[in-house]
Amino acid sequence: KNEVEQSPQNLTAQEGEFITINCSYSVGISALHWLQQHPGGGIVSLFMLSSGKKKHGRLIATINIQEKHSSLHITASHPRDSAVYICAVITGNQFYFGTGTSLTVIP
Amino acid sequence: SQTIHQWPATLVQPVGSPLSLECTVEGTSNPNLYWYRQAAGRGLQLLFYSVGIGQISSEVPQNLSASRPQDRQFILSSKKLLLSDSGFYLCAWSRGSIGTQYFGPGTRLLVL
Repeated sequence: KNEVEQSPQNLTAQEGEFITINCSYSVGISALHWLQQHPGGGIVSLFMLSSGKKKHGRLIATINIQEKHSSLHITASHPRDSAVYICAVITGNQFYFGTGTSLTVIP
Repeated sequence: SQTIHQWPATLVQPVGSPLSLECTVEGTSNPNLYWYRQAAGRGLQLLFYSVGIGQISSEVPQNLSASRPQDRQFILSSKKLLLSDSGFYLCAWSRGSIGTQYFGPGTRLLVL
């Protein structure tokens, strides 16, 4: 069993839809990262969370430490949001990565 | 502002040949540095991380090694490449162990 599980694995949405990607983990963590990987391979760090909620533009990330669960929300989705979204957790010096959620937003 | 560079962008190497990928960071000092690999169709895997010059921690046993000869330089090497070393290699830096990580553009390595 992977330490980090993401769902869904693949997601197709119409432009403008509200999108939620979920991440569950089984280890105690110091922090959780949400990463975005574009089709060309480049990776951008979207959020680093250790508690609560963060918002950046149309993106919102939440984490529930007790339930070991985090969600990434995209409001008013746009085709440029199409990418793979990766959840990663850090515990001590160990890094665990989810396998990613592939998001396609259709115009 | 901080920037992170990786080169080369793409590399095709024969099996058994050596490898050297370089990563440099500008605009910050004493960063934590990381090497990741993403094999085709698979998730990210942390290979090495470094908290300072000459300090390297390896996450998985493998055919690769890393070195940090200068504060903002991180090098990934191999003496003899294997087919299984093919993949997308990413360097990243952060301030501290749990800070936001900033990724380089990556190097696509194909071993034939």
